[in-house]
Amino acid sequence: NAGVTQTPKFQVLKTGQSMTLQCAQDMNHEYMSWYRQDPGMGLRLIHYSVGAGITDQGEVPNGYNVSRSTTEDFPLRLLSAAPSQTSVYFCASRENSAANFYEQYFGPGTRLTVT
Amino acid sequence: GNSVTQMEGPVTLSEEAFLTINCTYTATGYPSLFWYVQYPGEGLQLLLKATKADDKGSNKGFEATYRKETTSFHLEKGSVQVSDSAVYFCALSDMDYGGSQGNLIFGKGTKLSVKP
Repeated sequence: NAGVTQTPKFQVLKTGQSMTLQCAQDMNHEYMSWYRQDPGMGLRLIHYSVGAGITDQGEVPNGYNVSRSTTEDFPLRLLSAAPSQTSVYFCASRENSAANFYEQYFGPGTRLTVT
Repeated sequence: GNSVTQMEGPVTLSEEAFLTINCTYTATGYPSLFWYVQYPGEGLQLLLKATKADDKGSNKGFEATYRKETTSFHLEKGSVQVSDSAVYFCALSDMDYGGSQGNLIFGKGTKLSVKP
């Protein structure tokens, strides 16, 4: 049981490039989410999904795209990278019920630098 | 809207000192409250949680009590160790039956450094 995995761990992009951050979980969780962590800002929700084929925006969705074709995977796409997207990105998952009171499980993070 | 406010850091303590990190929240509905910990270079791990008023969450010597009357969830530990050095995040998950998805809302984090 690997939990939540993210790849890559580190990435450097040039402004305007696109890329996909990968996230996978093996806990059969319906709910998955992406956060970005910036100094002094805590974690802010980018997008989330409550199941395959269903996604919705969080607090800071601009410049990011997501899709959810399987329960296991929830990739985050940067369409045209900007320096403001330099951050650490965390993927998380949980059961889509109140059973665990919405406790989320986090991946190890991807550190992205845009130059 | 829902929000979490926690004390700004960094907090520097000597080993065996008493720790308090303040956290207050604003929420509609019936939120669950969490403390997550992030060790250097790692992702977030759940430290403890409380799901209703007057619940006390505890783990690894840390405790926090859900106080609805003061909308607070302060983290405490009686005797910190060097290994407790990390960033601590207070968070809430809104269980608003009006349609909230139970997304987590985080405070900005408090960095704790414990010196030997």
